[in-house]
This record gives sequence, structure tokens and C-alpha cells, in this order.
Amino acid sequence: SQQGEEDPQALSIQEGENATMNCSYKTSINNLQWYRQNSGRGLVHLILIRSNEREKHSGRLRVTLDTSKKSSSLLITASRAADTASYFCATDEYGNKLVFGAGTILRVKS
Amino acid sequence: DAGVIQSPRHEVTEMGQEVTLRCKPISGHDYLFWYRQTMMRGLELLIYFNNNVPIDDSGMPEDRFSAKMPNASFSTLKIQPSEPRDSAVYFCASSLPGNTIYFGEGSWLTVV
Repeated sequence: SQQGEEDPQALSIQEGENATMNCSYKTSINNLQWYRQNSGRGLVHLILIRSNEREKHSGRLRVTLDTSKKSSSLLITASRAADTASYFCATDEYGNKLVFGAGTILRVKS
Repeated sequence: DAGVIQSPRHEVTEMGQEVTLRCKPISGHDYLFWYRQTMMRGLELLIYFNNNVPIDDSGMPEDRFSAKMPNASFSTLKIQPSEPRDSAVYFCASSLPGNTIYFGEGSWLTVV
């Protein structure tokens, strides 16, 4: 069963704008990860945030985690056409098992 | 490191044929995962191994699917006999305990 659920399902923005994607989950986690998948390619790891962390940055990416609300958000600032991809959140269950949500399809128009 | 290596990248086979997908994980990683991705069901975890031992195969759809990991550097996912509904992208991934999971580029399977 899939645990993480992304919102929105699809997002279309202009280059230079910020993109925010949200993820909700149902049970307790040890960590939450965000991945990007370009069309026809594999998944690329973006950020891992642990349950005792509230915010993490990596370049133009900012991830927040609210364990009380069982939710996370991924912010991409100053988006570029190359950011066009599907973005997935994934949460772990006991035993290092990673369960993915349905993903958000981001389209950045130049 | 070369990353997770999967083969074949693309395979088209006829219904009823046996399909074998191969994976070489990142050296030193204890965990190996097989995922399947379809438009309808998204990314599904089929099975994962820890130190070459299958830990959870609850995601394996049916007896036609089997996976093995004979050593730390090699795993196979076999479908016998294959059916059109098995058409999907099959991803292998590996990781250290509690850490980032790294994915291969996937094996794109079409069963006609």
C-alpha cells in the first residue's frame, strides 16, 4: 500500500516562479525522502529528512516536515524548465521499507 | 561508483515467455529493493533483501514472480510465464540501513 500522498497531482508554472508540493502520510516514520523522476528515467534522490528534523535545504530545494500533521512540503525556488519532472515523496516503515506516493507532475514553462 | 546497474534496459517479449531482469547494487549496500511502476498503480515495492536474505515479499503479485539474490552484488527478478499485464518499468534500488535509497535506470518491459 502507498503511504505518502502528494498534492497537487499536477502543477504548471512559469520559469522563475516557486513550486510547492505537499505530501501527507498516515503512520509514524523515521524519515521521509523526496525523489525526482524525469520522463523515461529512473528516480533521483533529492533530500532525506529525518523525523527529528523540521527543515532541510539543498540548493534551490527546501523541505519541511511536520510530524504532528504527518505532512511534508517540497519547495523549489526560482524554477527552471529543467525542473520539469514528476516528484515523489516516500516514507519508511519498520525495516527500511520505502513506500511511495502517486507523485506530483511539475511542468515549468519557459 | 557506477550506481545501481540494471539489465536489460528494454525488453519486448511474447506472452508466456520467461523474463529475467538483473540488478547489480551499489557495492557495500546492505539492502536491495525491487519496485514496479505502472500508470495505474504507481510505484509498488515488490520485494526487498537485507544481506542477500529476502525480508518482505508481500508485494510480489503472484507465484509467477520470483526474486533471488545469490550474492551481495547480484539479484534477479524472474517472471514465468509472463502476461501482458506485467508490462511495466521494473526498478532495482539499494541502500545502507536507514539511509538514502538509490535507484537504477529501470528495465522497461513490454509483454505482447
